[in-house]
Amino acid sequence: EVQLVESGGGLVQPGRSLRLSCAASGFTFDDYAMHWVRQAPGKGLEWVSGISWNSGSIGYADSVKGRFTISRDNAKNSLYLQMNSLRAEDTALYYCAKDVKQWLLYYFDYWGQGTLVTVSS
Amino acid sequence: QSALTQPRSVSGSPGQSVTISCTGTSSDVGGYNYVSWYQQHPGKAPKLMIYDVSKRPSGVPDRFSGSKSGNTASLTISGLQAEDEADYYCCSYAGSHFGTGTKVTVL
Repeated sequence: EVQLVESGGGLVQPGRSLRLSCAASGFTFDDYAMHWVRQAPGKGLEWVSGISWNSGSIGYADSVKGRFTISRDNAKNSLYLQMNSLRAEDTALYYCAKDVKQWLLYYFDYWGQGTLVTVSS
Repeated sequence: QSALTQPRSVSGSPGQSVTISCTGTSSDVGGYNYVSWYQQHPGKAPKLMIYDVSKRPSGVPDRFSGSKSGNTASLTISGLQAEDEADYYCCSYAGSHFGTGTKVTVL
């Protein structure tokens, strides 16, 4: 059974940093691209960042480019999102999502339950 | 980059059909046959319903169908059921990826 478990969310002040993690199991992690997708309270889905199976291809939404860094550790079956210079508008539930291919095809066939990030003073 | 445009809401009675549009540009929806659709119930993670414009993953009922014409993709739910009441999002390979979302209400 595929499982994606996010962690690392919490309350953080504007301008500070936070690192999210996603622990994957139930599939061959290094065979697939992975993504972070967020959803602000009461709002729609927003793709944040994606990384190919070998970290050779990485993409970011314009809203987080230069502030967020995605990475993966295939030996640990884990995906990460380093979030710096956080803003109030980054407040959201952050989902880890699996792609269906090794490269970034943006088809998300499995999702975690999300970790909540709240940016507030 | 703007989100793909979807109607805010659509509704229908049980058994009826509803269609949700997803309008982009020639740089995203119109440029690739890589469109997917997601269903999200309140408090739950999204679920992949359609990929490659019109293909259904295993386990998705065949009353869900997808199509595309030009820069607009569409999701049709035929034989609407109470459990279909949810938010639906389209997603494209290029651009900002997700649509604005549509709430489907079963009357």
